[in-house]
Amino acid sequence: DIQMTQSPSAMSASVGDRVTITCRASQGISNSLAWFQQKPGKVPKRLIYGASSLESGVPSRFSGGGSGTDFTLTISSLQPEDFATYYCLQHNSYPVTFGGGTKVAIK
Amino acid sequence: EVQLVESGGALVQPGGSLRLSCIASGFTFSDHYMDWVRQAPGKGLEWVGRIRTKANRYTTEYAASVKGRFTISRVDSRNSLSLQMNSLKTDDTAVYFCTRGPYCPNAVCISIALYYYDYWGQGTLVTVSS
Repeated sequence: DIQMTQSPSAMSASVGDRVTITCRASQGISNSLAWFQQKPGKVPKRLIYGASSLESGVPSRFSGGGSGTDFTLTISSLQPEDFATYYCLQHNSYPVTFGGGTKVAIK
Repeated sequence: EVQLVESGGALVQPGGSLRLSCIASGFTFSDHYMDWVRQAPGKGLEWVGRIRTKANRYTTEYAASVKGRFTISRVDSRNSLSLQMNSLKTDDTAVYFCTRGPYCPNAVCISIALYYYDYWGQGTLVTVSS
């Protein structure tokens, strides 16, 4: 199975901060990676697909990068509504695997 | 508008069985792989399994943790997806989501990343406890 290691697992940041979350795959997955945002009690929402393509309707302050084994999700200027948990997902091979999540909290 | 609506979650005793359903609307259900993903209370997301399209012979894949106990099926004429869960364990306690997977109108999928988990149902809670 491909392991997806997300870091950090939790962080605190202030409104306006630039935030970067990383996801490392245990083996190469090309660009078969997506990023999701989940708020408490809510359904996960896809932000990025194909490693770097922005989902329609998602603010442009979100961006994704990387290919192969190392990926990033960047929020260029953190907004109050961005405090949530973020997950990466690899779908290059079965089983599909998620990262452990990164909880972004208010500093 | 794409919608996925799950139902069937309940409190069940260890060793028991439960069947979850997901009704889809707003897209050509028969042309998409469909997956189940779950989330235990306070935990992360875990893929449960997949069913492919008719063009791919309705074949299935399962996570090791549920293989042999869970069965995914679909009825395209009813836009319906099901998850039959047998021999339930306390570790199966979770919110279960149905999700839309790749667009595969024939044996070859198209723009796989574009459709991967772009839509989720609201989830249904399964609690396994005595």
